[in-house]
Amino acid sequence: ETGVTQTPRHLVMGMTNKKSLKCEQHLGHNAMYWYKQSAKKPLELMFVYNFKEQTENNSVPSRFSPECPNSSHLFLHLHTLQPEDSALYLCASSQESPGGAGAYEQYFGPGTRLTVT
Amino acid sequence: DAKTTQPPSMDCAEGRAANLPCNHSTISGNEYVYWYRQIHSQGPQYIIHGLKNNETNEMASLIITEDRKSSTLILPHATLRDTAVYYCIVTRDNYGQNFVFGPGTRLSVLP
Repeated sequence: ETGVTQTPRHLVMGMTNKKSLKCEQHLGHNAMYWYKQSAKKPLELMFVYNFKEQTENNSVPSRFSPECPNSSHLFLHLHTLQPEDSALYLCASSQESPGGAGAYEQYFGPGTRLTVT
Repeated sequence: DAKTTQPPSMDCAEGRAANLPCNHSTISGNEYVYWYRQIHSQGPQYIIHGLKNNETNEMASLIITEDRKSSTLILPHATLRDTAVYYCIVTRDNYGQNFVFGPGTRLSVLP
């Protein structure tokens, strides 16, 4: 247990569906992240939220929409996905200082295995 | 692009030390070296990180060369549960840690 939970753990959805992935961290951290891991590929950073503000969006298609209502929760809203979006979606959190000094490890959740049919 | 180079795979006998190398020849002065591992289909697990000095914790030791262009992660007594993909990452200490994961090293601990 890392203190980061993700639901659901598995999700199968059609290309016309709308679904959401949820992440919750119980560590008191102020930064949260979404990563995508496709089969036989390295993890790819998708979105970063610091102090509830989105600070990174690594050229992610608009069919993925993140939401961070507070520092403990992070959502990834999905709509009109493609089969190539099937992957393991991982959430992570860390404690960042406002000045950015120092180094802070990220704690990952177990992931949501998404299959788009 | 990942700024590190690691061998794609390694084997290690159970009970022996596993030494996983990583090259990061373009590392800059304010970048840290992090190590994570990922057991099949689970989320990555933080192992250790360092800047200049060697570091040790309950999981592993991190040896960073004096010029900081390479490092070695040492698992002192590998067990079968250490079989995983190990990632070496360098990242700056800015506001929000943007980790770039490469393909890592697949370590197989053999009985």
